[in-house]
Amino acid sequence: QVQLVESGGGVVQPGRSLRLSCAASGFTFSSYGMHWVRQPPGKGLEWVAVISFDGSNKYSADSVKGRFIISRDNSKNTLYLQMNSLRIEDTAVYYCAKRDGSGLYWFDYWGQGTLVTVSS
Amino acid sequence: QTVVTQEPSFSVSPGGTVTLTCGLSSGSVSTTHYPSWYQQTPGQAPRTLIYSTNTRSSGVPDRFSGSILGNKAALTITGAQADDESDYYCVLYMRSGIWVFGGGTKLTVL
Repeated sequence: QVQLVESGGGVVQPGRSLRLSCAASGFTFSSYGMHWVRQPPGKGLEWVAVISFDGSNKYSADSVKGRFIISRDNSKNTLYLQMNSLRIEDTAVYYCAKRDGSGLYWFDYWGQGTLVTVSS
Repeated sequence: QTVVTQEPSFSVSPGGTVTLTCGLSSGSVSTTHYPSWYQQTPGQAPRTLIYSTNTRSSGVPDRFSGSILGNKAALTITGAQADDESDYYCVLYMRSGIWVFGGGTKLTVL
């Protein structure tokens, strides 16, 4: 079955960097686009970024553009989110989510999330 | 900046019917936004309910249905049950490689 396991979260100071990983299994990782979605404590979901199946296309939300970089290593079945110049407001649970393979623009599987806390 | 709107909260009686909506701050929601709906309980990852406006995800009970109502996407729960008490999120595809979530609706069943 599809499994997505995020890691790399923790406490980091404002202005510093952190890299999140999402290990995928149970499907052909190299065939599917992947997303990052975040959720600040007690708040709603926010879409962060998406990467195409082969890494050739990437899009991100304005709130993280220029600071966060989404990437993937298909040989390792792993998705990444490099987060630079972190801000207090980036504090959130970060979920990776698999894009559907039907071209219907939805998230069909989600990981359990990893918590990033930006605090001095 | 595109804002996707949802009711902050809603209440339904057990066995009742409730319709949650998902709109745009400017313009109408259409099927070309491929609206999808997700259910989330505290401390858990979201669960997919509906995609592409009205298609139920695998294993989702048929008391959940999706549609376009007027200029909004809608999620209807018919015969609400106690374990439907959750947060519900819609998300729209903005056709520029960008997805935008609504702020979520907290549904109370009482």
